[in-house]
Amino acid sequence: QLQLQESGPGLVKPSETLSLTCTVSGDSISTYNYYWGWIRQPPGKGLEWIGSLYYSGSTYYNPSLKSRVTISVDTPKNQFSLKVSSVTAADTAVYYCARSMTTVTNDAEYWGQGTLVTVSS
Amino acid sequence: SYELTQPPSVSVSPGQTASITCSGDRLGHKYACWYQQKPGQSPVLLIYQDTKRPSGIPGRFSGSNSENTATLTISGTQAMDEADYYCQGWDSSTVVFGGGTKLTVL
Repeated sequence: QLQLQESGPGLVKPSETLSLTCTVSGDSISTYNYYWGWIRQPPGKGLEWIGSLYYSGSTYYNPSLKSRVTISVDTPKNQFSLKVSSVTAADTAVYYCARSMTTVTNDAEYWGQGTLVTVSS
Repeated sequence: SYELTQPPSVSVSPGQTASITCSGDRLGHKYACWYQQKPGQSPVLLIYQDTKRPSGIPGRFSGSNSENTATLTISGTQAMDEADYYCQGWDSSTVVFGGGTKLTVL
């Protein structure tokens, strides 16, 4: 059974860079061309797509975040990562990593449990 | 920017059919999927590629997508279906979530 686990600091200072890692277990991240993505949810609000990485090498970002976001993969560690630069309080959210249902659908069948990141000084 | 619109809330009586809509420009030309989220839990994929159900999702959940509207239908709604529901649309490069609908089973 595929499992995903987010990890990283729970508190980040304004203007700094938020860095999270998603560790994948139960299968190799490089086995097939799935979409591996990051989604966030501010407290009490809805879901927001941050971006997706297609293992073949393509990355897709939310246009509203594109200038501040980088998603990358570390195949030997079976992980993929998220960086959001110049954070503000508006970036406070539960951050989820996810994998798509199929190799041709950019949806999210498998989810991590989520990790709360608070932006505060 | 592309937007998907859902009603903030929908109410349904137990055993009845609930329909949750998701509207967006030419949504029928994109793929739509649906998630269920209960408090404190990660979302669960209910419908993908407009109409397909992942393994383990009960048959009372079904989806459609045409023109500008995708619809999630829950037949024989149960108390356990009370949750937030989100639609998602995507095409070759962009993913967008709807604002979410709170389903209340009265």
